[in-house]
Formats: sequence, structure tokens, C-alpha cells
Amino acid sequence: GAGVSQSPRYKVAKRGQDVALRCDPISGHVSLFWYQQALGQGPEFLTYFQNEAQLDKSGLPSDRFFAERPEGSVSTLKIQRTQQEDSAVYLCASSLLAGGFGGLYEQYFGPGTRLTVT
Amino acid sequence: KNEVEQSPQNLTAQEGEFITINCSYSVGISALHWLQQHPGGGIVSLFMLSSGKKKHGRLIATINIQEKHSSLHITASHPRDSAVYICAARGSNYQLIWGAGTKLIIKP
Repeated sequence: GAGVSQSPRYKVAKRGQDVALRCDPISGHVSLFWYQQALGQGPEFLTYFQNEAQLDKSGLPSDRFFAERPEGSVSTLKIQRTQQEDSAVYLCASSLLAGGFGGLYEQYFGPGTRLTVT
Repeated sequence: KNEVEQSPQNLTAQEGEFITINCSYSVGISALHWLQQHPGGGIVSLFMLSSGKKKHGRLIATINIQEKHSSLHITASHPRDSAVYICAARGSNYQLIWGAGTKLIIKP
């Protein structure tokens, strides 16, 4: 596709349910990022993949959060036993490369998945 | 103190006004991004710059590395410019340090 896509766009989950959020990056992009954006706040870094390798998961808020990118393209962010504080927009971004400066490193963002935990 | 601070937090203006949004950062950066976020969550990258000035249509972004300050200007503002504008600083690696955003409303 032409851009980063995410699905579903909206997800309502009952507290305690597991959810899976999908990100399709731009084809050929090596780097993939997940961010969490609470209402009225800027995005917070969750995790970073380079191809299939998860190089940084320092931003994942708890062990209920798990991300994977098994074939180095599509990524899934899974949240187990959702809590109300997990309600946020989850943004995915991809870039051709990572680190450094220049167009090759620019991050392209998906539309986000708005998760509401009731 | 946040590492990236934006001002103002909220800005309401009339159509046609010249808009300025400011961003100050306290970390060393390799690049500074300006992004636009419309209701519904999608983020669009507007500019990525490390020095000087960039212009795209009615949008202008400037950065002063010595003063650790960047501005985003919108000339001849239009209601469709209404959105949240976010600046994000990138250090030597891939991580972005995000400002809290400026909510801009342009009234017709």
C-alpha cells in the first residue's frame, strides 16, 4: 500500500479482555515503531523493531504488553488482561532506516487504533 | 521540566491570520520534526529539519540550533488547518521526544 495502515481503527474491550492491534508498514521499511498516545498528551514510545528483531522494548508499560514482527513486515501489538488505563490511541510508524538524519530515516505514521477499555 | 516544550497549548484564530507555534528543547538533537494530527489520531509529518528554514506551501518551519528553539508558521490560515501540531526532537538514535502538542482552531 501507499502508506502505513492499522487495524482495527477503533476497538472497545471489556476490562480483562485480550486485544491484538495490527500494523502494516510501508513495504520495504526496515524500522517499525509503536507509540501510545493518551488523551490530550503526546505519543509515548513503546517499542522498536528493525526487521524482525525487537531492538528496544523499554517503553512497554507492563508485561501485559507484547509486540511481535515475525517476518519483518506486519507487526502485532498484543495487550493481555486490558485495564482502563490502557485506553489510548496506539500509533504505528515505519521508516526505511532508523537513526541518523535524512529522508531515509523519516517516520511515516499510520492512522492509529483507538482502544477504549470499559 | 519536559525536554520538549511547546507553546501555546491552545490557539484560536480567525481565518487569514498568521500563526506561530513555538517549540523549545533542552536535549541535543540530530533533527526536529513538526507533525500534524487531525481528530481521529492519524499523524502526518510536515517537516524534518536540523538547521535553517523549510517552506512547504503556506507552512514554514525554522530552527535555531544555538537557542534550541524552533517555530512553525502558517500564513493565510484556513479552517482546514485546524489540528494538533506536535514537535518532536530526535537525538542520535531513533527515539523521538515528543512535545505535548498545540491545538489550533481556525474560525471562518
